[in-house]
Amino acid sequence: DTGVSQDPRHKITKRGQNVTFRCDPISEHNRLYWYRQTLGQGPEFLTYFQNEAQLEKSRLLSDRFSAERPKGSFSTLEIQRTEQGDSAMYLCASSLDGASYEQYFGPGTRLTVT
Amino acid sequence: DAKTTQPPSMDCAEGRAANLPCNHSTISGNEYVYWYRQIHSQGPQYIIHGLKNNETNEMASLIITEDRKSSTLILPHATLRDTAVYYCIVRVVGSSASKIIFGSGTRLSIRP
Repeated sequence: DTGVSQDPRHKITKRGQNVTFRCDPISEHNRLYWYRQTLGQGPEFLTYFQNEAQLEKSRLLSDRFSAERPKGSFSTLEIQRTEQGDSAMYLCASSLDGASYEQYFGPGTRLTVT
Repeated sequence: DAKTTQPPSMDCAEGRAANLPCNHSTISGNEYVYWYRQIHSQGPQYIIHGLKNNETNEMASLIITEDRKSSTLILPHATLRDTAVYYCIVRVVGSSASKIIFGSGTRLSIRP
């Protein structure tokens, strides 16, 4: 399978714990995006990388969130001191360079904070 | 990016054509119309996009009005597997940041 993959698919954690998610984009795609989706809503943009450079961050990405993409390949999204409001589906997408290219989404990581 | 307006829900009989409307009255000349869909518990899936001409691929057809203020996504022979939330999106072309701004979409239910 050469699509976007995300790990884990599901994560249950207690409030206050740190969690880290991983995204592996399609290999030739140099753009990588993170989105968050809460129940009944469309996905919301969090941040975006071109190669290893993080070029844009949404105001939704509070100080407790950090994303990295070392070497321009896979990416990680870490949430520190999780809160119940962080419960959501976290989606990763990748695309070729250029605004008109479609984004390919992974299956998402569903986070539940208890 | 311009906003889009879609009906919150629609239904269609299996085997019939599903026509999903979208209004984007403030679309700019350099914005494309994109459609994605999201089947339950999966990531969004690209369907089709266009600038001003009608487009067709193996999944669907996209009809854009001449003034580009609205469009219709057509699934020619809907199946139960087409049950999903469909998002109509307009995106600036040439922007260095090509994030997608999703609305609430249209929940399409295909009935047997």
